[in-house]
Amino acid sequence: GESVGLHLPTLSVQEGDNSIINCAYSNSASDYFIWYKQESGKGPQFIIDIRSNMDKRQGQRVTVLLNKTVKHLSLQIAATQPGDSAVYFCAEYEGTGFQKLVFGTGTRLLVSP
Amino acid sequence: GAGVSQSPSNKVTEKGKDVELRCDPISGHTALYWYRQSLGQGLEFLIYFQGNSAPDKSGLPSDRFSAERTGGSVSTLTIQRTQQEDSAVYLCASSSLAGRVRSKQFFGPGTRLTVL
Repeated sequence: GESVGLHLPTLSVQEGDNSIINCAYSNSASDYFIWYKQESGKGPQFIIDIRSNMDKRQGQRVTVLLNKTVKHLSLQIAATQPGDSAVYFCAEYEGTGFQKLVFGTGTRLLVSP
Repeated sequence: GAGVSQSPSNKVTEKGKDVELRCDPISGHTALYWYRQSLGQGLEFLIYFQGNSAPDKSGLPSDRFSAERTGGSVSTLTIQRTQQEDSAVYLCASSSLAGRVRSKQFFGPGTRLTVL
């Protein structure tokens, strides 16, 4: 079936580096994507979203890029900080139905001081 | 409230017992969702409420799982005759829009359920 997945299960970076977390999706009809950050013992925290009529969207230190041609999504974090260490999920609204988010398995970001 | 709240934060129960998990959505949010997260995994959709009705129950894993929402606010997820494979973190989310409009979902801290 349709699914959202991640390329790298763990990403280790040095503090101050830029981080890029990738996500592939398979549902070409998907029109809205969200990135969530989940710290240990907490619920997912909304980071940034993007609709399919956009290629790029920027937030505070974060940028999401959407390549609909190859069905690829990425989250870029500038000047990564130790507080950015968490598991990052991309999520996709499935089909044209109700508000059912489909999540990938997540990428763990480890930031070393 | 300021955010989605869930109770209890932790629940340990014995196999075969029933459990109730509670979710208080953000005030004014019409849509409410339940997800399950097994250890080291992504989130698995369980059920979605629009107001008090549940148009999508497709994710409920078995008839031991049920959920209700009253007054368009608080929701309860009930698991009957719990099994060890039910052990997971149960997450609730809410959003301000419903129907076919895409909207951000805001999550609570979750309830960690352990079935012995």
